[in-house]
Amino acid sequence: DGGITQSPKYLFRKEGQNVTLSCEQNLNHDAMYWYRQDPGQGLRLIYYSQIVNDFQKGDIAEGYSVSREKKESFPLTVTSAQKNPTAFYLCASSVTWDGSYEQYFGPGTRLTVT
Amino acid sequence: QQQVKQSPQSLIVQKGGISIINCAYENTAFDYFPWYQQFPGKGPALLIAIRPDVSEKKEGRFTISFNKSAKQFSLHIMDSQPGDSATYFCAADAGGSEKLVFGKGTKLTVNP
Repeated sequence: DGGITQSPKYLFRKEGQNVTLSCEQNLNHDAMYWYRQDPGQGLRLIYYSQIVNDFQKGDIAEGYSVSREKKESFPLTVTSAQKNPTAFYLCASSVTWDGSYEQYFGPGTRLTVT
Repeated sequence: QQQVKQSPQSLIVQKGGISIINCAYENTAFDYFPWYQQFPGKGPALLIAIRPDVSEKKEGRFTISFNKSAKQFSLHIMDSQPGDSATYFCAADAGGSEKLVFGKGTKLTVNP
């Protein structure tokens, strides 16, 4: 089955610890994204990558880091510098063809930091 | 300029009724307007999308209406069903950026 997988579905960490969220896609998409979702806030872009070994900051990159060493993988690290890390994190990938564009989302990881 | 403003924040509709969600934008460079549907605890899924060269697009019970001069677009759900109860997000993309700007979402509840 083609798609985007995120693991784990639920993640619990103590304050002050870094944590890495996994995102893998087998859709052969070039572009991948990380969003954060909080109640009433919509989806806010953390980082995105349009090609392997390259990525750009989104609107709320502070306290997060990413890597893109392989086309199919785009892990997100939530560092201890992120002041409010508890949220629902969504990974996405996109494809463009003949002027059309679609972005597909994974199932999300709910991170709780106490 | 980069915002997409979505309303209402929540909507309650009776089964069989019409649900209408509205979005407005300022950036005239936006040229792709998708709507996403999200069920609790799941990732959003693309529902329907439109480009500015058409004023309306229909897929089953879902219709996007687009008003380029007013810089507004809306989602209409005809014959709303309880299974349509979800959060709906509008979004916009400027040509070639491959970076969506999302509205804050509308929580739709369809009562049986």
